[in-house]
Amino acid sequence: NAGVTQTPKFQVLKTGQSMTLQCAQDMNHNSMYWYRQDPGMGLRLIYYSASEGTTDKGEVPNGYNVSRLNKREFSLRLESAAPSQTSVYFCASSAFLAPSNSPLHFGNGTRLTVT
Amino acid sequence: KNEVEQSPQNLTAQEGEFITINCSYSVGISALHWLQQHPGGGIVSLFMLSSGKKKHGRLIATINIQEKHSSLHITASHPRDSAVYICAVPLRGGADGLTFGKGTHLIIQP
Repeated sequence: NAGVTQTPKFQVLKTGQSMTLQCAQDMNHNSMYWYRQDPGMGLRLIYYSASEGTTDKGEVPNGYNVSRLNKREFSLRLESAAPSQTSVYFCASSAFLAPSNSPLHFGNGTRLTVT
Repeated sequence: KNEVEQSPQNLTAQEGEFITINCSYSVGISALHWLQQHPGGGIVSLFMLSSGKKKHGRLIATINIQEKHSSLHITASHPRDSAVYICAVPLRGGADGLTFGKGTHLIIQP
């Protein structure tokens, strides 16, 4: 039971570099999410995808782009990384768009440092 | 945007004590989630509730939709309950993703 798989687990970037965080779920879930977690801030929603083919902005979308490649995969791209994007990133999925009566399943997180 | 407030921010208790964590929010909602983040960072969903009360083992969650308030209780607390407990509500009140509280850091001492 893989659940939600995120890669990579750790990444160090220099300011201005780009990278893509990958997320895949094997639970046939419709909805997927990207969150960032910063000390003292709690989890904040970056982007979400209610279903395959749709994406929407969350609370803090600036500096990020997303792609819902298919039902399984939802990637997050940083085109030009900035130190303010240093954070722990979590991907999550649910059968239907939260807050529906379906639990969220989280990946293990990606710790990103931008120097 | 829905604003979520959790209290207390930090809580240290002795094993066996009854624990209460509170969550208040600003915009009416259809459902609320409680989650647990382990010391290692992993996050698991504990409850989703839209009314009344739910119980799972030693964990009990209640919600009062009219008062925009929910509580998470832990009975007979144990050191393995040490974690961060987070409540989450709809970002703008509808089906548009969740916004999260900052969490309550709970430590249960033996």
